Amino acid sequence: GQNIDQPTEMTATEGAIVQINCTYQTSGFNGLFWYQQHAGEAPTFLSYNVLDGLEEKGRFSSFLSRSKGYSYLLLKELQMKDSASYLCAVMDSNYQLIWGAGTKLIIKP
Amino acid sequence: IAGITQAPTSQILAAGRRMTLRCTQDMRHNAMYWYRQDLGLGLRLIHYSNTAGTTGKGEVPDGYSVSRANTDDFPLTLASAVPSQTSVYFCASSDGTGTDTQYFGPGTRLTVL
Repeated sequence: GQNIDQPTEMTATEGAIVQINCTYQTSGFNGLFWYQQHAGEAPTFLSYNVLDGLEEKGRFSSFLSRSKGYSYLLLKELQMKDSASYLCAVMDSNYQLIWGAGTKLIIKP
Repeated sequence: IAGITQAPTSQILAAGRRMTLRCTQDMRHNAMYWYRQDLGLGLRLIHYSNTAGTTGKGEVPDGYSVSRANTDDFPLTLASAVPSQTSVYFCASSDGTGTDTQYFGPGTRLTVL
């Protein structure tokens, strides 16, 4: 079966750095997405990786290792507004997105 | 530009009733999707449409139907609602090119009693 694993919840301090991991086992791979979802709101697109390596976008970076079935989202200089759930999703061989359950990130002052 | 709109925002429904959730996008995206999101579970695909006039089944299609008469609209119908269909429903769209990033509507919170 297809599976996306990510931690259920993480806590970090304002101004710090946090890394949210995602491991996957899917039938085929056509890219990995990270989305942010604030409570009660829709998911919003953060990043896309299809090749191995690090993609940096402001305070957020995303890393992919296809051989290890592994990705992480790195958030720097954490702000209170970064408190949200972070969803990892992999596009499989049928070009459908397989979603992880999400990681709830709690930021403390 | 509104992006994707969904209606209603929330609804309480008696079991056995028929309900249609509406979704409209103004981005001229080819592909549209319906997901449900339940606590502790990832988003699960119900139905999708790669282009107007075509639809396909996702991971959890039973009890739901869709139609795609034009590019902009993609309604989801529950023919006879059951309590297990209590969920938050998100509609999404993508242009079907490049990274094929999906963009989401604000969601409909549905409670079936």
